[in-house]
Amino acid sequence: KAGVTQTPRYLIKTRGQQVTLSCSPISGHRSVSWYQQTPGQGLQFLFEYFSETQRNKGNFPGRFSGRQFSNSRSEMNVSTLELGDSALYLCASSATGANEQYFGPGTRLTVT
Amino acid sequence: GESVGLHLPTLSVQEGDNSIINCAYSNSASDYFIWYKQESGKGPQFIIDIRSNMDKRQGQRVTVLLNKTVKHLSLQIAATQPGDSAVYFCAESDSGGYQKVTFGTGTKLQVIP
Repeated sequence: KAGVTQTPRYLIKTRGQQVTLSCSPISGHRSVSWYQQTPGQGLQFLFEYFSETQRNKGNFPGRFSGRQFSNSRSEMNVSTLELGDSALYLCASSATGANEQYFGPGTRLTVT
Repeated sequence: GESVGLHLPTLSVQEGDNSIINCAYSNSASDYFIWYKQESGKGPQFIIDIRSNMDKRQGQRVTVLLNKTVKHLSLQIAATQPGDSAVYFCAESDSGGYQKVTFGTGTKLQVIP
């Protein structure tokens, strides 16, 4: 069974731009969560989707948004990029009713 | 707010020795805890989990201990190998089942050959 995939793996953007990151969960997994990882703040929860609905949200500004499609694939969008948004963005999926999350390799976003 | 923290940022261990990585949590309502391993350039990988109704759980070469009285969690790795070198995170999961996971800051384990 294929693991969680994320695209692109690396991205360089300029301040003020917006970016969309994509995540394909493990086949059959309906829950997708997003995390931001930085050296200073560590791993921080962004949001979680299940069956196209956002069930939980972390403490991030409204510039961070996401969505999930009917095939469980998910995207997250960051608008008006700031230098501080430079981070590794990780996606994780889990099966219904299960707590174990499987992480993708992440998308490394650099904002200049 | 609630937090999950680690005592030591870096741990150096001789190959073959046992490693112990500690973690403190502050949310007494937490009922599910997980240890993750993250190697360079990769996403976190699940190692082992434990629910709050247990004190100990064993896996292959790993053991997690939970002390709810002092809100402390530890990961023990037996016969540490070079491949165990990574950053280890403890995490707490929301009992509502909504996968909101709060991670600790991480401990880097360095295995000395």
